[in-house]
Formats: sequence, C-alpha cells, structure tokens
Amino acid sequence: QVQLQESGPGLVKPSRTLSLTCTVSGDISSGSYWWSWLRQAAGERLEWIGRVDASGSTNYNPSLESRVTIGADTSKNQLSLKLASVTAADTALYFCAREEFIVFRGVIIEKFDLWGQGTPVTVSS
Amino acid sequence: DIQMTQSPSSLSASVGDRVTITCRASQSISFYLNWYQQKPGKAPHLLIYGASSLQSGVPSRFSGSGSGTDFTLTINRLQPEDFATYYCQQSHSIPLTFGGGTKVNIK
Repeated sequence: QVQLQESGPGLVKPSRTLSLTCTVSGDISSGSYWWSWLRQAAGERLEWIGRVDASGSTNYNPSLESRVTIGADTSKNQLSLKLASVTAADTALYFCAREEFIVFRGVIIEKFDLWGQGTPVTVSS
Repeated sequence: DIQMTQSPSSLSASVGDRVTITCRASQSISFYLNWYQQKPGKAPHLLIYGASSLQSGVPSRFSGSGSGTDFTLTINRLQPEDFATYYCQQSHSIPLTFGGGTKVNIK
C-alpha cells in the first residue's frame, strides 16, 4: 500500500520561504497520477495549492501561483513545495495527496484517493 | 473559480439516522464532484467520486447523487464512526475547490 509522508519545518518566519517535502513509498512515475499539495487553516475549508506529474508538469492555484513552486524528484520518489514570502495567513496544516485520473462514463475524471497525514506549519517571528 | 456551497454547515443526528448533505456549485460541473470525510487532525478520506460512485472499501451506507450544480451525499443508518466533517470537491476546473464542510455531530 502506497503511503505519503510530509516533512519540513513547523515554524517559518514571516517573509521567508516555506519548504516542505512529501516522500512517497512507491514509484511516483507509475500509473495515471498527479501529485498535489493542499492546505487547511484551522476551522477553514481545504485549499488546493497546486500539482505536479512525474514529468515535472505543473498546475497552480492562481491565488498562490506567484509564490508557489512544486517539483517532483522521481529518483527519490519525493515531491516538494516552496511557498515564498509567507505571512501569518499561510499558517495551516499542509497535505500532499495523490490525484488519480480514471475513465468514467467515457471521460477522464480525477479524485484525491490517497493523502499524507499532514504537517502543521506556523508562520510567526 | 467555481464556488462550492454546502448545507447545512452542521447538523446533529443519532446513530441509525439517515443524514443528507447538499452541495451546490456556482456553475455546472456535470458529474465532476467528489465527497470526502475528515476527522479532526486527520487527512480527508475519499468516499464518493464522479458524484455517485462509491470508492473501493467505503461502506455501502454512503451514497451520492446529482449532476450539474446540485449534489447530495446521503448516509444511511449513521454509525458512531461517521461523526465527522464532510466536504465536497469539484474536479471540473482549475483551481480545484472544496465546499465549506458539513460537521455531523452526535445528538
């Protein structure tokens, strides 16, 4: 069973860059998957940050695109998230998740079928 | 962005009850709608995809329906482990977006 595990600093100073890693216990190059980062501030809804596939192609949430870089290292089966110029509003529980693409009713749909446990990040001086 | 609105934001129910949660999209998303269950401090867990298909391993008391802009998640015969927050999510367009959640409390 593939598992995802997020890691990184739990505390980041304002204006700095938040850097997180997601280690996947399987081959991120196999199958029809993209790999996403999401976050959830306390008491708030989930927010999708962006995603990457094994070739390095990315999609980002326009609200964060100017500050976000997501990457994939297939040799290590790791995903990375960098979020620049953080503020207190970036304090949240950060998740990585696998997004599976399947053929459904003749079209391709996607679903987050596997998640990491999440890692909390606080932005504070 | 496609806005996802869930109702109610919370509800109280008893074990054995039938619970219905609704989700409305700000524009038509066909059947590009997923439902997740989340418990405090934990990652979400996929229940339903394509608006009505049960994810493998999910109990059959969970069901989904709808298309276009209006969707429903139904839990039949509520079990103690079902007390959690439920989120809908659209996969029709980037950015992927989630509803605000419905918290199911014990009555």
